[in-house]
Amino acid sequence: NAGVTQTPKFRVLKTGQSMTLLCAQDMNHEYMYWYRQDPGMGLRLIHYSVGEGTTAKGEVPDGYNVSRLKKQNFLLGLESAAPSQTSVYFCASINRWQGIGGNYGYTFGSGTRLTVV
Amino acid sequence: AQRVTQPEKLLSVFKGAPVELKCNYSYSGSPELFWYVQYSRQRLQLLLRHISRESIKGFTADLNKGETSFHLKKPFAQEEDSAMYYCALGEGSNYKLTFGKGTLLTVNP
Repeated sequence: NAGVTQTPKFRVLKTGQSMTLLCAQDMNHEYMYWYRQDPGMGLRLIHYSVGEGTTAKGEVPDGYNVSRLKKQNFLLGLESAAPSQTSVYFCASINRWQGIGGNYGYTFGSGTRLTVV
Repeated sequence: AQRVTQPEKLLSVFKGAPVELKCNYSYSGSPELFWYVQYSRQRLQLLLRHISRESIKGFTADLNKGETSFHLKKPFAQEEDSAMYYCALGEGSNYKLTFGKGTLLTVNP
C-alpha cells in the first residue's frame, strides 16, 4: 500500500518553463489537496479537489492549474514558472468519512522540492 | 476569515523539561483543530485532533474556546520530539486545513 506518491521528488526549472507535478493515491480517497511549504510561511493551500472531475482554488492559486481526470490522480501544473514558485510542494488526501467524523487525518506525500532559477 | 497563529518560530528545551507549543486560532464557527508533526526527512503526519481528546507520544492538547487556543503540551520532552510542529484549523465543508506557520522544536540532550 503506497499511500500518496508524488513525482518527481526534485526538479530545477528555468524561469518561463512549464512542468506538471503528479500526485497519485491508492486509497480511494475522494478529497485531494495541493499545498506549498515555504520557510516562515507554513503550508498554504493552492488548489483542492472534492472528487473526480472537480477542482477548486485555495489560498494561493495564481500561476498554477490542476486537473483530476481520474480519482486517484491529482496533477498540479505550472504554465510559466517564476522564481517565486520555488518551494516544496505537498499533496494530501482524505477519505470523505474521515472528514465527516472530524478526523482530518490527511495522508501526505513526501513532497516535491522545486527550484526555479 | 479563519487564521491560525503560532507565535514561536523556534523553541528550544532540554531533555526532560516540559514543553508547550502555542497555537491560537480565529474562526467564527465551531473549530476543528489538529496538530501535525514533521520529523526530519519524513512526511507530515497527524499527531493529535481535539475531537478525540487523546494523548499521543505523551503529547496532549486542550481546546480552550474562551481563549481561542489549542496549545500542545508534554511534561517531559525527549530528544526524539525534535521536529516541526504545525497547528491546523479545519473548514468543515471541504475538509480544508488552514495551517499555522509552524514551530521548530529542538530538544537538547
